[in-house]
Amino acid sequence: QLQLQESGPGLVKPSETLSLTCTVSGDSITGSTYYWGWIRQPPGKGLEWIGSVYYSGSTYYNPSLKSRVTISVDMSKNQFSLKLTSVTAADTAVYYCAKRPSGPGPFDSWGQGLLVHVSS
Amino acid sequence: DIQMTQSPSSLSASVGDRVTITCRASQDINNYLAWYQQKPGKVPKLLIYAASTLQSGVPSRFSGSGSGTDFTLTISSLQPEDVATYYCQKYNSAPRTFGQGTKVEVK
Repeated sequence: QLQLQESGPGLVKPSETLSLTCTVSGDSITGSTYYWGWIRQPPGKGLEWIGSVYYSGSTYYNPSLKSRVTISVDMSKNQFSLKLTSVTAADTAVYYCAKRPSGPGPFDSWGQGLLVHVSS
Repeated sequence: DIQMTQSPSSLSASVGDRVTITCRASQDINNYLAWYQQKPGKVPKLLIYAASTLQSGVPSRFSGSGSGTDFTLTISSLQPEDVATYYCQKYNSAPRTFGQGTKVEVK
Protein backbone atom coordinates (compact mmCIF):
# COMPACT_ATOMS: atom_id res chain seq x y z
CA GLN A 1 0.00 0.00 0.00
CA LEU A 2 1.38 3.37 -1.03
CA GLN A 3 2.36 5.70 1.80
CA LEU A 4 3.62 9.27 1.84
CA GLN A 5 5.67 10.92 4.58
CA GLU A 6 6.69 14.56 4.81
CA SER A 7 9.97 15.60 6.41
CA GLY A 8 11.84 18.81 6.97
CA PRO A 9 12.39 21.59 9.50
CA GLY A 10 9.48 22.67 11.62
CA LEU A 11 10.81 26.21 11.97
CA VAL A 12 12.03 28.51 9.22
CA LYS A 13 13.16 32.12 9.58
CA PRO A 14 11.46 34.90 7.63
CA SER A 15 13.01 35.62 4.22
CA GLU A 16 14.64 32.16 4.13
CA THR A 17 13.71 29.13 2.02
CA LEU A 18 11.34 26.43 3.21
CA SER A 19 12.47 23.00 2.02
CA LEU A 20 10.37 19.86 2.52
CA THR A 21 10.66 16.32 1.24
CA CYS A 22 8.00 13.69 0.70
CA THR A 23 9.16 10.07 0.78
CA VAL A 24 7.03 7.62 -1.17
CA SER A 25 6.89 4.00 -0.03
CA GLY A 26 4.98 1.05 -1.39
CA ASP A 27 5.23 2.14 -5.03
CA SER A 28 7.66 3.74 -7.42
CA ILE A 29 7.57 7.49 -7.88
CA THR A 30 8.27 6.87 -11.56
CA GLY A 31 4.93 5.14 -11.98
CA SER A 32 3.45 6.71 -15.08
CA THR A 33 -0.05 6.84 -13.62
CA TYR A 34 0.57 9.39 -10.85
CA TYR A 35 1.18 13.05 -10.26
CA TRP A 36 2.67 14.12 -6.93
CA GLY A 37 1.52 17.26 -5.19
CA TRP A 38 1.81 19.63 -2.26
CA ILE A 39 -1.13 21.21 -0.41
CA ARG A 40 -0.94 23.47 2.63
CA GLN A 41 -3.31 24.56 5.38
CA PRO A 42 -2.62 27.57 7.62
CA PRO A 43 -3.73 27.04 11.23
CA GLY A 44 -7.51 27.24 11.46
CA LYS A 45 -7.91 27.90 7.74
CA GLY A 46 -8.72 26.01 4.55
CA LEU A 47 -6.71 23.99 2.05
CA GLU A 48 -4.52 25.60 -0.60
CA TRP A 49 -3.10 23.69 -3.57
CA ILE A 50 0.58 24.58 -4.03
CA GLY A 51 1.52 22.55 -7.09
CA SER A 52 2.13 19.15 -8.68
CA VAL A 53 4.97 17.31 -10.40
CA TYR A 54 5.20 14.30 -12.72
CA TYR A 55 8.17 11.95 -12.48
CA SER A 56 9.44 13.37 -15.78
CA GLY A 57 9.80 16.77 -14.12
CA SER A 58 6.69 18.36 -15.62
CA THR A 59 5.21 20.77 -13.07
CA TYR A 60 2.09 22.83 -12.41
CA TYR A 61 2.06 25.60 -9.81
CA ASN A 62 -0.54 27.78 -8.10
CA PRO A 63 -0.23 31.17 -9.81
CA SER A 64 -0.36 32.88 -6.42
CA LEU A 65 2.85 31.10 -5.37
CA LYS A 66 4.51 30.39 -8.71
CA SER A 67 7.28 32.98 -8.36
CA ARG A 68 8.47 31.39 -5.10
CA VAL A 69 7.82 27.66 -5.58
CA THR A 70 9.84 24.81 -7.02
CA ILE A 71 8.68 21.19 -6.90
CA SER A 72 11.03 18.47 -8.08
CA VAL A 73 11.47 14.69 -8.10
CA ASP A 74 14.44 12.60 -6.93
CA MET A 75 13.84 9.23 -8.57
CA SER A 76 16.91 7.64 -6.95
CA LYS A 77 15.45 8.25 -3.49
CA ASN A 78 11.78 7.80 -4.43
CA GLN A 79 11.12 11.29 -3.11
CA PHE A 80 9.75 14.59 -4.28
CA SER A 81 10.41 17.96 -2.72
CA LEU A 82 9.05 21.44 -2.22
CA LYS A 83 11.06 24.64 -2.04
CA LEU A 84 9.35 27.91 -1.12
CA THR A 85 11.56 30.98 -1.12
CA SER A 86 11.32 34.29 0.75
CA VAL A 87 8.92 32.96 3.37
CA THR A 88 6.89 35.15 5.71
CA ALA A 89 4.60 34.43 8.64
CA ALA A 90 1.79 33.94 6.13
CA ASP A 91 3.52 30.74 4.98
CA THR A 92 3.08 29.15 8.41
CA ALA A 93 0.96 26.08 7.73
CA VAL A 94 0.62 22.34 7.80
CA TYR A 95 2.16 21.12 4.56
CA TYR A 96 0.77 17.92 3.05
CA CYS A 97 2.18 15.85 0.23
CA ALA A 98 -0.30 13.82 -1.80
CA LYS A 99 -0.82 11.65 -4.88
CA ARG A 100 -3.32 11.94 -7.70
CA PRO A 101 -3.92 10.12 -10.99
CA SER A 102 -1.95 11.41 -13.96
CA GLY A 103 -5.13 12.23 -15.85
CA PRO A 104 -7.55 14.67 -14.22
CA GLY A 105 -8.13 13.21 -10.78
CA PRO A 106 -8.42 14.08 -7.08
CA PHE A 107 -5.77 13.62 -4.41
CA ASP A 108 -6.56 10.10 -3.20
CA SER A 109 -3.62 9.48 -0.90
CA TRP A 110 -2.14 11.99 1.57
CA GLY A 111 0.79 12.20 3.94
CA GLN A 112 0.24 12.93 7.60
CA GLY A 113 1.23 16.55 7.22
CA LEU A 114 4.05 18.62 8.69
CA LEU A 115 3.55 21.87 10.59
CA VAL A 116 6.04 24.53 9.57
CA HIS A 117 6.30 27.77 11.53
CA VAL A 118 7.87 30.82 10.00
CA SER A 119 9.33 32.86 12.81
CA SER A 120 12.55 34.52 13.86
CA ASP B 1 -8.74 31.35 -12.53
CA ILE B 2 -11.88 29.45 -11.59
CA GLN B 3 -13.16 30.16 -8.09
CA MET B 4 -14.90 27.58 -5.91
CA THR B 5 -17.52 28.85 -3.45
CA GLN B 6 -19.08 26.65 -0.79
CA SER B 7 -22.20 27.32 1.25
CA PRO B 8 -22.93 27.42 4.03
CA SER B 9 -19.62 28.05 5.77
CA SER B 10 -20.92 26.15 8.78
CA LEU B 11 -24.00 24.29 9.88
CA SER B 12 -25.35 22.50 12.92
CA ALA B 13 -27.79 19.63 12.59
CA SER B 14 -29.19 16.80 14.66
CA VAL B 15 -28.24 13.16 14.41
CA GLY B 16 -30.33 11.60 11.69
CA ASP B 17 -30.89 14.85 9.79
CA ARG B 18 -30.30 15.19 6.08
CA VAL B 19 -27.46 17.62 5.44
CA THR B 20 -26.72 19.36 2.15
CA ILE B 21 -23.61 21.36 1.24
CA THR B 22 -23.28 23.20 -2.03
CA CYS B 23 -20.23 24.11 -4.10
CA ARG B 24 -20.34 26.50 -7.02
CA ALA B 25 -17.64 26.93 -9.66
CA SER B 26 -17.24 30.29 -11.36
CA GLN B 27 -16.91 28.49 -14.73
CA ASP B 28 -17.96 25.14 -16.15
CA ILE B 29 -15.79 22.33 -14.79
CA ASN B 30 -17.86 19.47 -16.24
CA ASN B 31 -17.87 16.84 -13.47
CA TYR B 32 -14.23 17.29 -12.36
CA LEU B 33 -15.23 17.86 -8.76
CA ALA B 34 -14.11 16.10 -5.60
CA TRP B 35 -15.29 16.28 -2.00
CA TYR B 36 -12.99 15.76 0.98
CA GLN B 37 -13.75 15.27 4.65
CA GLN B 38 -11.33 16.59 7.28
CA LYS B 39 -12.03 15.61 10.86
CA PRO B 40 -10.52 17.81 13.59
CA GLY B 41 -6.76 17.36 13.73
CA LYS B 42 -6.76 14.80 10.93
CA VAL B 43 -5.66 14.49 7.33
CA PRO B 44 -8.20 15.28 4.59
CA LYS B 45 -9.87 12.18 3.21
CA LEU B 46 -11.30 11.78 -0.28
CA LEU B 47 -15.04 11.08 -0.13
CA ILE B 48 -16.34 11.60 -3.66
CA TYR B 49 -14.80 12.19 -7.09
CA ALA B 50 -16.21 12.82 -10.53
CA ALA B 51 -18.93 14.76 -8.70
CA SER B 52 -20.88 11.64 -7.73
CA THR B 53 -18.59 8.60 -7.47
CA LEU B 54 -18.13 7.36 -3.92
CA GLN B 55 -14.53 6.54 -2.98
CA SER B 56 -14.05 2.95 -1.82
CA GLY B 57 -14.95 2.47 1.83
CA VAL B 58 -17.01 5.65 2.19
CA PRO B 59 -20.42 5.07 3.83
CA SER B 60 -23.37 5.11 1.47
CA ARG B 61 -25.06 7.90 3.44
CA PHE B 62 -22.71 10.25 1.57
CA SER B 63 -23.65 11.19 -1.97
CA GLY B 64 -22.70 13.80 -4.52
CA SER B 65 -24.45 15.33 -7.47
CA GLY B 66 -24.12 18.06 -10.03
CA SER B 67 -22.27 19.00 -13.18
CA GLY B 68 -21.04 22.15 -14.83
CA THR B 69 -20.98 24.82 -12.14
CA ASP B 70 -23.29 23.61 -9.36
CA PHE B 71 -22.57 20.66 -7.09
CA THR B 72 -24.00 19.18 -3.92
CA LEU B 73 -22.72 16.92 -1.16
CA THR B 74 -25.48 15.23 0.82
CA ILE B 75 -25.30 13.28 4.04
CA SER B 76 -28.59 11.40 4.15
CA SER B 77 -28.58 10.73 7.89
CA LEU B 78 -26.04 12.69 9.91
CA GLN B 79 -23.99 10.63 12.36
CA PRO B 80 -21.82 11.86 15.25
CA GLU B 81 -18.70 10.67 13.43
CA ASP B 82 -19.51 12.99 10.50
CA VAL B 83 -18.43 16.04 12.51
CA ALA B 84 -15.81 17.52 10.20
CA THR B 85 -15.03 20.24 7.71
CA TYR B 86 -15.92 19.37 4.13
CA TYR B 87 -14.07 20.79 1.12
CA CYS B 88 -14.83 20.67 -2.56
CA GLN B 89 -12.02 20.81 -5.13
CA LYS B 90 -11.96 21.28 -8.89
CA TYR B 91 -9.46 19.14 -10.74
CA ASN B 92 -10.13 19.69 -14.43
CA SER B 93 -7.02 21.86 -14.73
CA ALA B 94 -4.52 23.89 -12.75
CA PRO B 95 -4.87 25.61 -10.39
CA ARG B 96 -6.67 22.82 -8.55
CA THR B 97 -8.60 25.14 -6.28
CA PHE B 98 -10.39 24.11 -3.10
CA GLY B 99 -13.55 25.64 -1.75
CA GLN B 100 -13.25 27.47 1.56
CA GLY B 101 -14.80 24.62 3.53
CA THR B 102 -18.04 23.88 5.36
CA LYS B 103 -17.87 22.99 9.03
CA VAL B 104 -20.51 20.46 10.09
CA GLU B 105 -21.42 20.12 13.75
CA VAL B 106 -23.94 17.97 15.59
CA LYS B 107 -26.51 19.69 17.84
